[in-house]
Amino acid sequence: GAGVSQSPSNKVTEKGKDVELRCDPISGHTALYWYRQSLGQGLEFLIYFQGNSAPDKSGLPSDRFSAERTGGSVSTLTIQRTQQEDSAVYLCASSQDRGFTYEQYFGPGTRLTVT
Amino acid sequence: AQSVAQPEDQVNVAEGNPLTVKCTYSVSGNPYLFWYVQYPNRGLQFLLKYITGDNLVKGSYGFEAEFNKSQTSFHLKKPSALVSDSALYFCAVRDAVGNFNKFYFGSGTKLNVKP
Repeated sequence: GAGVSQSPSNKVTEKGKDVELRCDPISGHTALYWYRQSLGQGLEFLIYFQGNSAPDKSGLPSDRFSAERTGGSVSTLTIQRTQQEDSAVYLCASSQDRGFTYEQYFGPGTRLTVT
Repeated sequence: AQSVAQPEDQVNVAEGNPLTVKCTYSVSGNPYLFWYVQYPNRGLQFLLKYITGDNLVKGSYGFEAEFNKSQTSFHLKKPSALVSDSALYFCAVRDAVGNFNKFYFGSGTKLNVKP
């Protein structure tokens, strides 16, 4: 079946502009995660959605970052007033999160470059 | 604090030789442990996991990992490396106590398999 998809695959924006990154999780997966991966670094947790529960926003680095998940499916990560340090690959992942099925399935990522 | 450490930034091995990629973790409760692989310009792919049961778990592409509670380690192994195994490998732990829904990723280990 279809995996996790993300769009756009690449985004170049000017400092100070807002950007929206989209994630389509695997159908039926209740959990959705956003991570940030900077060059040569590991994954930095940003936000987690599980069903209809309040999201875990504890990883968002500043109030310029926000995310929403509509209808328990598609998610959008919004970065306002982008800064050069926001340049990174933004990865989305989904999982079933039930039983012992916690492994995450990742999308290909969106490479964000802030000039 | 919960964390994952991958002490080697890079591992070099000759094709046909056994390989080990190291991972140690620190969590407050029972760990749920995962290995992911990232090929160039692609998202992370799930390799294997330890939730409970046998300490030796087998996963995709002939990889296996051994959970060692006393050493708090979860090293990834393969008896005979292939050139196609060259990639970036991430260890991750899911915090199963308290903030139940957060994953902690290591910084990644680049595996180079030479012909």
